[in-house]
Amino acid sequence: DTAVSQTPKYLVTQMGNDKSIKCEQNLGHDTMYWYKQDSKKFLKIMFSYNNKELIINETVPNRFSPKSPDKAHLNLHINSLELGDSAVYFCASSQARNYGYTFGSGTRLTVV
Amino acid sequence: AQKVTQAQTEISVVEKEDVTLDCVYETRDTTYYLFWYKQPPSGELVFLIRRNSFDEQNEISGRYSWNFQKSTSSFNFTITASQVVDSAVYFCALRLGTGGFKTIFGAGTRLFVKA
Repeated sequence: DTAVSQTPKYLVTQMGNDKSIKCEQNLGHDTMYWYKQDSKKFLKIMFSYNNKELIINETVPNRFSPKSPDKAHLNLHINSLELGDSAVYFCASSQARNYGYTFGSGTRLTVV
Repeated sequence: AQKVTQAQTEISVVEKEDVTLDCVYETRDTTYYLFWYKQPPSGELVFLIRRNSFDEQNEISGRYSWNFQKSTSSFNFTITASQVVDSAVYFCALRLGTGGFKTIFGAGTRLFVKA
């Protein structure tokens, strides 16, 4: 059973398009996250939701909008995609502050 | 400000060598959590270990061991008798006890283990 699943795994799209990445976890965790990993492997948090409530919103362009319909799902919608948005986006979940993350397998977004 | 520094960008060893990955963190909080994650060439991120700031006991798990020293703000990771399958990028991370669940990652250390 997949613990944290992201779809799609790969996404190639043109500049200016709007796209969504979906994430679901079946671990019963209360908190979910979106991280962006750039080409140099640097991981930076974008958003975090705890029981459907937004608790972390880093300095991210407002073209990025997270949506959490329930605590098992956290989707990421990106408007007007730009070349600089190309990266790997990881969804993760954790049970509590002192627990490690369980990561999804990542979505490699390429904007052309 | 909170920060995690992994000064070693890349390390290359020959199989069966021991290797230590360094991690230095900065925080003024007294309650915090430290983590190590592994990212193999396949790209997934795998949780390895968690330590809280009140527990300086070192930990060993098979060939892996972790040395947490608050006096030097370090949380180093040693792989004993390295194997080719250990080749990966390893991330050290810091999470504070307050202010949400944000985890700050270091830049990662890429480990190459040659046969």
